[in-house]
Amino acid sequence: AQRVTQPEKLLSVFKGAPVELKCNYSYSGSPELFWYVQYSRQRLQLLLRHISRESIKGFTADLNKGETSFHLKKPFAQEEDSAMYYCALPNAGGTSYGKLTFGQGTILTVHP
Amino acid sequence: NAGVMQNPRHLVRRRGQEARLRCSPVKGHSHVYWYRQLPEEGLKFMVYLQKENIIDESGMPKERFSAEFPKEGPSILRIQQVVRGDSAAYFCASSPTETHSYEQYFGPGTRLTVT
Repeated sequence: AQRVTQPEKLLSVFKGAPVELKCNYSYSGSPELFWYVQYSRQRLQLLLRHISRESIKGFTADLNKGETSFHLKKPFAQEEDSAMYYCALPNAGGTSYGKLTFGQGTILTVHP
Repeated sequence: NAGVMQNPRHLVRRRGQEARLRCSPVKGHSHVYWYRQLPEEGLKFMVYLQKENIIDESGMPKERFSAEFPKEGPSILRIQQVVRGDSAAYFCASSPTETHSYEQYFGPGTRLTVT
């Protein structure tokens, strides 16, 4: 069965410090992976997906198939990055592709 | 451009009562997903629906839970005879097509409290 693991429930850094939110997955085949973010009092929203290889709000994430990881990184954290972050994996196949498997989430706090 | 709407935002029910959670997807979206977030846990998939069809209900508890997405009107997640363990945040998401189904737009959630 596919699974997503975010080992850190809480992560605290100071403004300007690098930040890395860890995500590991188990999946047979070529995965598509996503990061969703939920800012305080806002709804969950897509941050980035690995196939687009883009940088959003300074965040990047590289898929490492050897380590089955998709860690989210930012070289210089900002206070507005404080939020809950979820790593997500779409369904492996079968009859529906819509189902997302989420990690447990990491609460990032960036201190001034 | 209204996003996904969910109501009510907060719902309190006594044990044994029924809970009805509503979700109106983004206009033009025909795919709806329901997720549940139990306290201290991540979001867990429950059910995926298209108009008038249940596509995948592998995450739905076998009893007391049902979902529908009629031709007209919002999607409904119904929980009969609620128990304390049903207390959670229930999120609805929608997408325009299955091809892009991984880009899901989420509602604000309904927080169900069972007393």
